[in-house]
Amino acid sequence: GAVVSQHPSRVICKSGTSVKIECRSLDFQATTMFWYRQFPKKSLMLMATSNEGSKATYEQGVEKDKFLINHASLTLSTLTVTSAHPEDSSFYICSATADSATNEKLFFGSGTQLSVL
Amino acid sequence: QKEVEQDPGPLSVPEGAIVSLNCTYSNSAFQYFMWYRQYSRKGPELLMYTYSSGNKEDGRFTAQVDKSSKYISLFIRDSQPSDSATYLCAMSALGAQKLVFGQGTRLTINP
Repeated sequence: GAVVSQHPSRVICKSGTSVKIECRSLDFQATTMFWYRQFPKKSLMLMATSNEGSKATYEQGVEKDKFLINHASLTLSTLTVTSAHPEDSSFYICSATADSATNEKLFFGSGTQLSVL
Repeated sequence: QKEVEQDPGPLSVPEGAIVSLNCTYSNSAFQYFMWYRQYSRKGPELLMYTYSSGNKEDGRFTAQVDKSSKYISLFIRDSQPSDSATYLCAMSALGAQKLVFGQGTRLTINP
């Protein structure tokens, strides 16, 4: 299957700092990328959907100013957690697709474990 | 009530056993049903993708969808220790990009 690279895999930061997570589609052009959050032993919760060149669509309850999403090119989307706090500690996963007509061609990154001290 | 319900387990079975994983859902608009495998601290990997009701088989894996009961299953035959992972069901409505995931079932296959 196609490859989606997510970086970093793990990040530890101090409370109040900002953290940027990158999601790249390595061998295809991703028209749409998704960002999820996953707590331990919990399901993936969709945070936002981003289409290249346009503003992200956030799910209800997700703070737009807290979680900044940029999808500047067809191969790169970034999630910036601004002024991070301990409650933002979580596993963040991106996914990408080149075909918005089907979820069968949706590929996931390997995730980023964020720990805020 | 959650849109998708999945028993989190943990489920532990001996090597070679047949494993049955299940999800129920409440939204009758769901038309596409998926099973993902997720290893610890990794992203999900698509195992099975089915549309509407029926069965689909791929190697040792069989996915079943019963839309009348709003119930989906994943069967793993001849289970191997390498099958040990968390299995997530996911589903979406027709024309919808958004996937709704179950909580995931943590499975351990004991040698």
